[in-house]
Amino acid sequence: KAGVTQTPRYLIKTRGQQVTLSCSPISGHRSVSWYQQTPGQGLQFLFEYFSETQRNKGNFPGRFSGRQFSNSRSEMNVSTLELGDSALYLCASSSPASGRDNEQFFGPGTRLTVL
Amino acid sequence: AQSVTQLDSHVSVSEGTPVLLRCNYSSSYSPSLFWYVQHPNKGLQLLLKYTSAATLVKGINGFEAEFKKSETSFHLTKPSAHMSDAAEYFCVVTRAMNYGGSQGNLIFGKGTKLSVKP
Repeated sequence: KAGVTQTPRYLIKTRGQQVTLSCSPISGHRSVSWYQQTPGQGLQFLFEYFSETQRNKGNFPGRFSGRQFSNSRSEMNVSTLELGDSALYLCASSSPASGRDNEQFFGPGTRLTVL
Repeated sequence: AQSVTQLDSHVSVSEGTPVLLRCNYSSSYSPSLFWYVQHPNKGLQLLLKYTSAATLVKGINGFEAEFKKSETSFHLTKPSAHMSDAAEYFCVVTRAMNYGGSQGNLIFGKGTKLSVKP
């Protein structure tokens, strides 16, 4: 079974631009979460989607948004990029049957550099 | 509210010696606890998880962790370190969710970098 895939793996943008990152979950998984990883703040939860609906949201500004499609693939968008948005963005998926387990499977991440 | 504290930002051991990575948690709810490992330029891989079953949890690659409610700890151990264990390790807590398939959000510790000397 293929794992979580994220595209692109690396991205370079300039301040003020916007960016869209993509995540394909493991087949059959309907929950997708996004995390930002930086050296200073560590790993922080961005948001979670389940069946095309946002279920949870972290403490990030409105410039960060996401969506999920009917095939469970998810995208996250960052508008008006700032230097501080440079980070590794990780996507994770889990099965709806996980229940109390909450085991999430992570993709390799997208490394975003903002110049 | 939940939080997790990894007590050491960096641990260095010699190959063949035991590994101990310390983690304390705080949770208002019955927690689920995890340890993840991240190798350089890679995503996160689940090592092991605690979800209120056995308090001693065995994971992959010889790692195990013991849930101690009285001490609010979930330390990760391995009897004998291998060079391939060099990586960053994250202790994670989450609220155990039972509704609608939502996975909830994971709360990560700051990470512990494990170095293994030959």
